[in-house]
Amino acid sequence: DSGVTQTPKHLITATGQRVTLRCSPRSGDLSVYWYQQSLDQGLQFLIQYYNGEERAKGNILERFSAQQFPDLHSELNLSSLELGDSALYFCASSHRDGYTDTQYFGPGTRLTVL
Amino acid sequence: SQELEQSPQSLIVQEGKNLTINCTSSKTLYGLYWYKQKYGEGLIFLMMLQKGGEEKSHEKITAKLDEKKQQSSLHITASQPSHAGIYLCGADREYGGATNKLIFGTGTLLAVQP
Repeated sequence: DSGVTQTPKHLITATGQRVTLRCSPRSGDLSVYWYQQSLDQGLQFLIQYYNGEERAKGNILERFSAQQFPDLHSELNLSSLELGDSALYFCASSHRDGYTDTQYFGPGTRLTVL
Repeated sequence: SQELEQSPQSLIVQEGKNLTINCTSSKTLYGLYWYKQKYGEGLIFLMMLQKGGEEKSHEKITAKLDEKKQQSSLHITASQPSHAGIYLCGADREYGGATNKLIFGTGTLLAVQP
């Protein structure tokens, strides 16, 4: 158990819908990262927050957004869902922000878009 | 092409045999992480290598970083069924950077036959 929690574990929804994925980092960690894992793209970095502020963006679609709240938990919002958004979404956390700070991953949320 | 290539893509070994997984980067490696993933589950942190020539071991798993070759290897000695899973290497792209977005390799699927 990494100490990172994600809810829900599974999510099944229809195209065009909007969903919210939730992540609670390890106790004391200030950075939260979101990743998407799919069969064709592999594991891809989406976005990072540090202590409530956006720090880095990766290949995140405009339909996707995230935020980190004062209690440090984070939410990833996915809207206008398409079939291709079906994937495993992981949240990871680290203590600091920056170079070589080990990221610990949550168990993931499996999103299925029908 | 992928920035981080792993080889082999998949591997089947008999229990008790040794094996090596390689991770080769097309760009300079600054921090290299090894994770293990059970299918459909979260990533488990194994080791992080930072300096060229660095070697770390944990139980029967040893990882090395060859900075000149831009390559890392993961060696498992006397493999056991519990070693089965997907091994992923991840890399920092910025030296001393303010963010820590990781690029991940394509993954190596390991099966250990009893």
